[in-house]
Amino acid sequence: TQLLEQSPQFLSIQEGENLTVYCNSSSVFSSLQWYRQEPGEGPVLLVTVVTGGEVKKLKRLTFQFGDARKDSSLHITAAQTGDTGLYLCADVQDNAGNMLTFGGGTRLMVKP
Amino acid sequence: DAGVIQSPRHEVTEMGQEVTLRCKPISGHNSLFWYRQTMMRGLELLIYFNNNVPIDDSGMPEDRFSAKMPNASFSTLKIQPSEPRDSAVYFCASRKTGNQPQHFGDGTRLSIL
Repeated sequence: TQLLEQSPQFLSIQEGENLTVYCNSSSVFSSLQWYRQEPGEGPVLLVTVVTGGEVKKLKRLTFQFGDARKDSSLHITAAQTGDTGLYLCADVQDNAGNMLTFGGGTRLMVKP
Repeated sequence: DAGVIQSPRHEVTEMGQEVTLRCKPISGHNSLFWYRQTMMRGLELLIYFNNNVPIDDSGMPEDRFSAKMPNASFSTLKIQPSEPRDSAVYFCASRKTGNQPQHFGDGTRLSIL
């Protein structure tokens, strides 16, 4: 059974700071998705990475996929209070994109 | 466009009672998913349907849980009888076949006393 570990579990920073959160797997990812979940809402997809070594950018967010496709990171530059939320990584286990296994998440709080 | 709609948003009931959670997927989406989220176990897939047919229910915890999708615009997740350990936030998601993401509803927060 694949295990997805996210670190850190909790992170509290000041607005304007940079941060990186991590997602590691005990086995190779098929493809990996990152989600953000705000309180009282469902997760929202941020990005999908497929190829080892891939880097994707979404405004101030930079996503990296490890060369061996067993780890990924999310870096946020100049965090804003609106970045507060639970960041989840998910392994897409089937080609159809139906079977997602989620990590435990990193709960980020950005203070003004 | 309306997103995935779940009802109720909150449910508090006593153990032993039957609980029914409801979901209306996004129109035109042909896959529907039920998830459960707890602090201890995170977000877990319980069951999913393609074209109203259950495809994988390996995540359903036990026989007390059942899910149905009688038509393309409605699904239910039923727990009977409910137990305190069923307390969680239950999410429904839907997607269109192809390289399309899953869209999640805002969840039902269930508390079993």
